[in-house]
Amino acid sequence: AQSVTQLGSHVSVSEGALVLLRCNYSSSVPPYLFWYVQYPNQGLQLLLKYTTGATLVKGINGFEAEFKKSETSFHLTKPSAHMSDAAEYFCAVSGRNNRLAFGKGNQVVVIP
Amino acid sequence: GAVVSQHPSRVICKSGTSVKIECRSLDFQATTMFWYRQFPKQSLMLMATSNEGSKATYEQGVEKDKFLINHASLTLSTLTVTSAHPEDSSFYICSARGQEAGPYEQYFGPGTRLTVT
Repeated sequence: AQSVTQLGSHVSVSEGALVLLRCNYSSSVPPYLFWYVQYPNQGLQLLLKYTTGATLVKGINGFEAEFKKSETSFHLTKPSAHMSDAAEYFCAVSGRNNRLAFGKGNQVVVIP
Repeated sequence: GAVVSQHPSRVICKSGTSVKIECRSLDFQATTMFWYRQFPKQSLMLMATSNEGSKATYEQGVEKDKFLINHASLTLSTLTVTSAHPEDSSFYICSARGQEAGPYEQYFGPGTRLTVT
């Protein structure tokens, strides 16, 4: 079975500052890892994913994440926060059965 | 490409009635569809997985007689909440996976907000 841990439900960041959202996973098989963003009353939009190959993955809106197997982590970063980055962010892991297990999410607040 | 729609986006129903939510893949054939439930300020919980033409597989703790899932075609899956009660109020999100997709691609719909009064 797979599971994801996201600590800190609310994350405040100043506009222009680094965004760092932490994600640790547990998986009995080589994982597929995802970051999704959700705006209020909307579905999920894929930011980026890791399946195989390069461990540093670049996604949309300037986000990137690095898969570190030794640390079982897949932290999400963006060098400079923008007001439009205010949203809920979910890390998810999938095994071979395509079933996604989500973390509890991080509500990102961007302070002007 | 890979657009998934849901209808309705919002629905209010009275306790004891049933409500149907549709999930459609607009530009691809969805061999598998997933239904999730999301409570306020919480994560998504997988309710069931449905493959076209087959019975849905429900997650542990999900009442299959209460949450009826039908995946009758490669572009449409429906979730019917039967005899709805206020505790069924939630945000329901579907996702779809196509034949051409890799083993990891799921495309999410915009969600349906159900309020049971």
